Amino acid sequence: SSELTQPPSLSVSPGQTAGVTCTGKNLDSKYVSWYQQKADQSPLLVIYEDTKRPSGIPDRFSGSNSGNTATLTIRGTQSIDEADYYCQMWDNRVVFGGGTKLTVL
Amino acid sequence: QVQLQESGPGLVKPSETLSLLCSVSGVSIRSFYWSWIRQPPGRGLEWIGYIYSSESTDYNPSLRSRATISMDTSQNEVSLKLDAVTAADTAVYYCAFGRDGYKFNIWGQGTRLSVS
Repeated sequence: SSELTQPPSLSVSPGQTAGVTCTGKNLDSKYVSWYQQKADQSPLLVIYEDTKRPSGIPDRFSGSNSGNTATLTIRGTQSIDEADYYCQMWDNRVVFGGGTKLTVL
Repeated sequence: QVQLQESGPGLVKPSETLSLLCSVSGVSIRSFYWSWIRQPPGRGLEWIGYIYSSESTDYNPSLRSRATISMDTSQNEVSLKLDAVTAADTAVYYCAFGRDGYKFNIWGQGTRLSVS
């Protein structure tokens, strides 16, 4: 069955670049989306179709997808970026990754 | 601007049927994809299923036997019924709007459901 694997946690210093990874078999043959979920809030779409940003999402958020790994990159990470991040694809059904808790400290 | 508001009973007894509503404003639910997604306490997101083109549905295979998603176009509402609930169904349930079936553009605030 289709699965997406994410590291449970990632820590980054303010101003640095964070790379949240998502791995799955032949992932680059699928479109990947990314969601940000801050504490006690609903998820927010931050990247879709691997690389596209919805209106209103800062350009410090970017995405890539190559081989078996998709990556959400946050440049110049800020404290407001501290959140859980989930990748998602469609492979005959919707599949979510397990989520990565990003800590900015 | 599309807005979604979930509502539900908050508490359901084991073996009963869960019924949730998603009230939609800003767009007709006759178009696009309307999903239900849940998140157990302290855990990740799980897609339940979606309805599109007014009557077509697709479900997570793990929940297909118990879940039913439908819509009332006169009220612009989408509903979820989940049969034979257990404690494992305790979660925050989100309604989500997708312009296609590949992503979720807008999410509701979620409704918390406990089975006890």
